[in-house]
Amino acid sequence: SQKIEQNSEALNIQEGKTATLTCNYTNYSPAYLQWYRQDPGRGPVFLLLIRENEKEKRKERLKVTFDTTLKQSLFHITASQPADSATYLCALAVNSGYALNFGKGTSLLVTP
Amino acid sequence: DGGITQSPKYLFRKEGQNVTLSCEQNLNHDAMYWYRQDPGQGLRLIYYSQIVNDFQKGDIAEGYSVSREKKESFPLTVTSAQKNPTAFYLCASSHSDSYYNEQFFGPGTRLTVL
Repeated sequence: SQKIEQNSEALNIQEGKTATLTCNYTNYSPAYLQWYRQDPGRGPVFLLLIRENEKEKRKERLKVTFDTTLKQSLFHITASQPADSATYLCALAVNSGYALNFGKGTSLLVTP
Repeated sequence: DGGITQSPKYLFRKEGQNVTLSCEQNLNHDAMYWYRQDPGQGLRLIYYSQIVNDFQKGDIAEGYSVSREKKESFPLTVTSAQKNPTAFYLCASSHSDSYYNEQFFGPGTRLTVL
């Protein structure tokens, strides 16, 4: 069956450090992978999309890598800030269509 | 202001009652989605619709029903057949002109069955 796995343990880091979150998947042949941010009690907000032929994508302090051989994506936040504290979700397309399957998310806490 | 709205924010229902959650978008998106989120869990897909008058079941469609009579609206009915309906329900929409489209989410409806 298709699975998306993200670290279930919360990630605690100090302000200014780089946070790295992992997303592993099995039984997908994704054309792309997406990352979202979710704050408590709110809907997710889209951050980045990376296509299968892209190794790396950047947006301001965010960087995503996508390794289809390892079946893994890494999400980096450089110079992290307390405002980056949230849950981060990765998502893959259902049957190569428009709907998404989401991982359970990794909670990030950035302390001053 | 363009966006996606869900109402109500909090909803209480008695066991055995059907309840309908509203989702409206003015983003001119063709595709709309319903997800369910339980504490500490990711989002699970209930139903999705890529075009008016058409929709498909997601992973956990049992006990739910939807309609898509208008492009802007995609209401979700939680029926009495749904065994554990207490959850946070999220509606989303996206363009469907390309597979590389992000989803825009509403603020969610928290349903509690008493």
